[in-house]
Amino acid sequence: EAQVTQNPRYLITVTGKKLTVTCSQNMNHEYMSWYRQDPGLGLRQIYYSMNVEVTDKGDVPEGYKVSRKEKRNFPLILESPSPNQTSLYFCASSLYAGGSAGELFFGEGSRLTVL
Amino acid sequence: DQQVKQNSPSLSVQEGRISILNCDYTNSMFDYFLWYKKYPAEGPTFLISISSIKDKNEDGRFTVFLNKSAKHLSLHIVPSQPGDSAVYFCAARHPQGGSEKLVFGKGTKLTVNP
Repeated sequence: EAQVTQNPRYLITVTGKKLTVTCSQNMNHEYMSWYRQDPGLGLRQIYYSMNVEVTDKGDVPEGYKVSRKEKRNFPLILESPSPNQTSLYFCASSLYAGGSAGELFFGEGSRLTVL
Repeated sequence: DQQVKQNSPSLSVQEGRISILNCDYTNSMFDYFLWYKKYPAEGPTFLISISSIKDKNEDGRFTVFLNKSAKHLSLHIVPSQPGDSAVYFCAARHPQGGSEKLVFGKGTKLTVNP
């Protein structure tokens, strides 16, 4: 089954404790991206990757890191999480950058709470 | 600045009636527009798209209309069903030097009442 898998789905952590949210897709997609969804703000892009070893900042990259060492994986790293990073995170992928028309496949989301 | 705007945070309609979700944009460089649907506890899923060279695209009960002069698009759902209750995100794509990305609106929560 074609899918984007994120882990963990739910996480409660404390300020400053490094964490990684993993994202893996099994569709051989070139393009991957991370978004966060906050009430009243919709979906905002954090980082994206055009292909292996090619990453770039989105609209809200502060406090996050990413890597793309393999085509299927695109982990999101919070080196020192802070409460303002409490959010619902989505990983997404598409065959090519932006997809044929921008059609993205999303994971089910990871709800992160930073105390 | 918000390039894609969904000014109605919520919309409530009766089952069987038409649902119209609206979206405005400011950047004339956008070349594709998309609608995504999101159920609680799930990721968004692609619903329908339209190229900037067209003014209408239809897929079953869902039709998207694009008015480029007004920088406005709308999603029509006819007839609306309770299963359509979800948050709908409008998104626009613009090419930027080969790196393409989507700009999302804030979403409109649609409730279809039985």
